[in-house]
Amino acid sequence: GNSVTQMEGPVTLSEEAFLTINCTYTATGYPSLFWYVQYPGEGLQLLLKATKADDKGSNKGFEATYRKETTSFHLEKGSVQVSDSAVYFCALSRRAAGNKLTFGGGTRVLVKP
Amino acid sequence: DSGVTQTPKHLITATGQRVTLRCSPRSGDLSVYWYQQSLDQGLQFLIHYYNGEERAKGNILERFSAQQFPDLHSELNLSSLELGDSALYFCASSTPGTGDGYTFGSGTRLTVV
Repeated sequence: GNSVTQMEGPVTLSEEAFLTINCTYTATGYPSLFWYVQYPGEGLQLLLKATKADDKGSNKGFEATYRKETTSFHLEKGSVQVSDSAVYFCALSRRAAGNKLTFGGGTRVLVKP
Repeated sequence: DSGVTQTPKHLITATGQRVTLRCSPRSGDLSVYWYQQSLDQGLQFLIHYYNGEERAKGNILERFSAQQFPDLHSELNLSSLELGDSALYFCASSTPGTGDGYTFGSGTRLTVV
């Protein structure tokens, strides 16, 4: 079946540091890949997505590239801010599975001033 | 505002009781998904409805049930509540055929005492 594995947190960083959150997936065919972010006390928000191999999703300074050869979709940001403190979820969906999202376990990121 | 409305935002109830959580999907979305988020088990898929019909079941307990009404709003019914049912319950909706991922509501926080 489909599955998503992402690095466990918490990840603690200083402001302006570089952030990487690793995500790998297992799926048949060509899934779409997503990163969602959950700020404290809120629901999940779509951060970025990529729908085919070598696509790069980007938003709010975050980037992730769909790497089919390594089945990965790592999230990166060059200079984090305190406001980036949140839980980040990697997810995949397959059209053949009714576009149901399969989520990773989430990675909590804490950015200190 | 994501366009997905969940009510109530908070609910405190006693063990053994029954509650109903409500979700109104984003305008035009036919699919509704329910997820449970607890501290120890992350984000768990419960059930998916599409245009009034159940499409997929995940880790949903027999004490839980859901339905989607003709106006596309959905209700999640939780009965014989136990302390371990305390969690955040999220509803999400999606636009059919786009593979654009989900739009989440802000969730209902259920506390069973």
